[in-house]
Order: sequence, then structure tokens, then C-alpha cells
Amino acid sequence: ELKVEQNPLFLSMQEGKNYTIYCNYSTTSDRLYWYRQDPGKSLESLFVLLSNGAVKQEGRLMASLDTKARLSTLHITAAVHDLSATYFCAVDADSNYQLIWGAGTKLIIKP
Amino acid sequence: EAGVVQSPRYKIIEKKQPVAFWCNPISGHNTLYWYRQNLGQGPELLIRYENEEAVDDSQLPKDRFSAERLKGVDSTLKIQPAELGDSAVYLCASSSTLSWADTQYFGPGTRLTVL
Repeated sequence: ELKVEQNPLFLSMQEGKNYTIYCNYSTTSDRLYWYRQDPGKSLESLFVLLSNGAVKQEGRLMASLDTKARLSTLHITAAVHDLSATYFCAVDADSNYQLIWGAGTKLIIKP
Repeated sequence: EAGVVQSPRYKIIEKKQPVAFWCNPISGHNTLYWYRQNLGQGPELLIRYENEEAVDDSQLPKDRFSAERLKGVDSTLKIQPAELGDSAVYLCASSSTLSWADTQYFGPGTRLTVL
């Protein structure tokens, strides 16, 4: 059974700092997704990582994938308050479009 | 391009009552998903449609939940009768084999409260 674990589950940080969210999964996968969810809102797609060593960047967020380690990271550079949200990773293990989701990392960035 | 539309946005009912949720996917998206999201957790897939066919409903509690996607476009998810444990946000998502990496696009969700 595929399991997806995120850590930390909760992160409070100051503006301007850097931090990394980790997403571990238990079986091989060829697709990993990162989503953002604001309170009371729906899920917004951030990144799709399709191969080992893939790196995607958008603004202050950068996501990477290591399929050998079964690990993806979401790195936040010089955090700003607007990045406060819950971030989810999701893995498609069998290319059957069934995503297994992590529990989410609630990120609070204080001014 | 319009996103995934869901209604209602909020629903409060008493236990044992029926409830229905409606979803209109992004135009041209042939795959439609219903998820349930409990507070503080990631979404859990309930059912996936390819056009009008339910291709994965293994997680749908069939004793009380039902879904349909007539004509392969809009979809309805029904609960009858509702139980207290059904309180959650019900999310609809859609995707297309033509979209980048089959990315799923989510609607705003319906927040269900069962009293």
C-alpha cells in the first residue's frame, strides 16, 4: 500500500527565512504533485514532477524530486506572508490517476 | 477558461436526511473525481469517472453514497441517509489527457455539516 508522509505537519516561521518541506512516499512513482490550499479554499496546483532529478521553480518556491530516495522537497526562499497556506504533496503510484495524498504541511509566515 | 464549478458551497443538514452535491468540470475534461477532505487531512478519492463510466469507485461507501455522471459532463454525488461522520468538504476535480501531466483541477468544494 502506498503511503505518503509529509513533514513537518506544522511550520511557523519568520518572513525572510528559508525552509524546506519534505514528502516521502513508500513505493515507486513516476508522478508527484504539489498543491497549495488557502483556508476555506480549494486546492491549487503548484508543481508536477515527472522524473528523477526534476526541479521546478516558481517565485520563492522550488520543488525537486529524487525517485531513488522516494523523496520530494518543497523549498521556500526568503518567505513572505502571502505564502502562508497548507501545502500538500500527492503521488500517482501506478499511473492510474489515483493520487495518494500527504496530510499536508500548514505553513504560517509571521511578518 | 472557467474552472470547476460546484454547488452548493455550504450545506447543513440533520442526520438521516439526504443531500446532493453537483459538479460541472472544466470544459473538455473527460475525467472527473469526487474527493472527501476531512479537517486537517488530505483529500481521499471517492470515485473517478472516465467520461460517463465510473472506473474507480472502490472507496465509495455504496450503502449510502451514490454518484452519477450523465452524458459524461456534469456529475452529482448523493448521500442518503447522512450520518454525523459524513461532515467534511466534498471536492470535485477534473482532468484531461491533454492537460499537462494529467493535472487535476479542483473546484471550491462543498462544506457539509451533519447535525
